[in-house]
Amino acid sequence: DAKTTQPTSMDCAEGRAANLPCNHSTISGNEYVYWYRQIHSQGPQYIIHGLKNNETNEMASLIITEDRKSSTLILPHATLRDTAVYYCIVDQAGTALIFGKGTTLSVSS
Amino acid sequence: GAVVSQHPSWVICKSGTSVKIECRSLDFQATTMFWYRQFPKQSLMLMATSNEGSKATYEQGVEKDKFLINHASLTLSTLTVTSAHPEDSSFYICSARTSGRENTGELFFGEGSRLTVL
Repeated sequence: DAKTTQPTSMDCAEGRAANLPCNHSTISGNEYVYWYRQIHSQGPQYIIHGLKNNETNEMASLIITEDRKSSTLILPHATLRDTAVYYCIVDQAGTALIFGKGTTLSVSS
Repeated sequence: GAVVSQHPSWVICKSGTSVKIECRSLDFQATTMFWYRQFPKQSLMLMATSNEGSKATYEQGVEKDKFLINHASLTLSTLTVTSAHPEDSSFYICSARTSGRENTGELFFGEGSRLTVL
């Protein structure tokens, strides 16, 4: 079973920041938070992952709360191409990732 | 980033026939590959873990005799759907981690293979 809770869907205006929340209240000390996204009929695409500290890369930022029970993925300037299903996954490094239902993000102009 | 390629991208077959899907890591070696299945409007479901040179580990409810997995080299894993039936129609996706970086977290996914069984 997925260890995360995400909203089913979210909307965002093009050019604005998209903030996607994820709850993982049962996360254990050695588990990472991963974010992937899946555009229709394609394989999932890695976005970012972190353990305790906030992380940033060219795609997004990951903000993890101090107690690690929740996190937020931030797409700073959403575009139409960011419309996808976003999956927040909590798991140990080195294992297969178990996907939940994710959040369907719709970016509109 | 590392590239994982699947072939074929889509395949249509008759009921009762077998279909082989290949998963290749193009620019890295992968001791472990994972196979997922995704039905329409659903999330990815892990089917099995494929280990180079050894037998695959199947998730509960996945028939190992129906979904044959072979991981003969560090760059190739194959999934064969034997005696396919219409209910096997699905989107099959493989993924892999780079050898020596199994603990870095990032999992690379193929483009997926859409199987339609008539």
